[in-house]
Amino acid sequence: DAGVIQSPRHEVTEMGQEVTLRCKPISGHDYLFWYRQTMMRGLELLIYFNNNVPIDDSGMPEDRFSAKMPNASFSTLKIQPSEPRDSAVYFCASSDRVRGYTFGSGTRLTVV
Amino acid sequence: DQQVKQNSPSLSVQEGRISILNCDYTNSMFDYFLWYKKYPAEGPTFLISISSIKDKNEDGRFTVFLNKSAKHLSLHIVPSQPGDSAVYFCAWVSGGTSYGKLTFGQGTILTVHP
Repeated sequence: DAGVIQSPRHEVTEMGQEVTLRCKPISGHDYLFWYRQTMMRGLELLIYFNNNVPIDDSGMPEDRFSAKMPNASFSTLKIQPSEPRDSAVYFCASSDRVRGYTFGSGTRLTVV
Repeated sequence: DQQVKQNSPSLSVQEGRISILNCDYTNSMFDYFLWYKKYPAEGPTFLISISSIKDKNEDGRFTVFLNKSAKHLSLHIVPSQPGDSAVYFCAWVSGGTSYGKLTFGQGTILTVHP
């Protein structure tokens, strides 16, 4: 298995632009999580899905952030419009009750 | 709400010695704590877990101890190796499983000197 695959690895964008981060979870995992890592707040959960259904989005900072999981093999996290304070590393992770958690390598987002 | 605190931002240890990483929590209601290791430019990787019914769990060089009365857990690495140099996070798992959503501590940077 290739693990959790995130794209792009790095993204630099201008303030006000739309940014879309992508994630392919491990096949068969029924949970998918989006985390964000910043110096100030550390690693924090943004949203998670179970069987493609959003379960808890209380960590999504504001309406500019949205996440979708149209099928079991793909999820997106969108920021529109982006702001400099959104600069962070965004991690996707997937899990199931047998194999536990696996994190992707992350997307480093820089908003200038 | 459960809070997870790692009060030591960094730890420096000589190769071959023991590394002890600490974590405190606030809410006595939990089922699992997990420890993760993170290298730069990579996602966190799972190291070891402990459930609330145990006070110790061991896996090779890694042992996690749980002190429920003190609301404290610690990760021991013996012997420490230079390849162990990384950021270590403790994390609480909500929902009574080992695969639910995680609440992380701030992390401790471990440096093992040759």
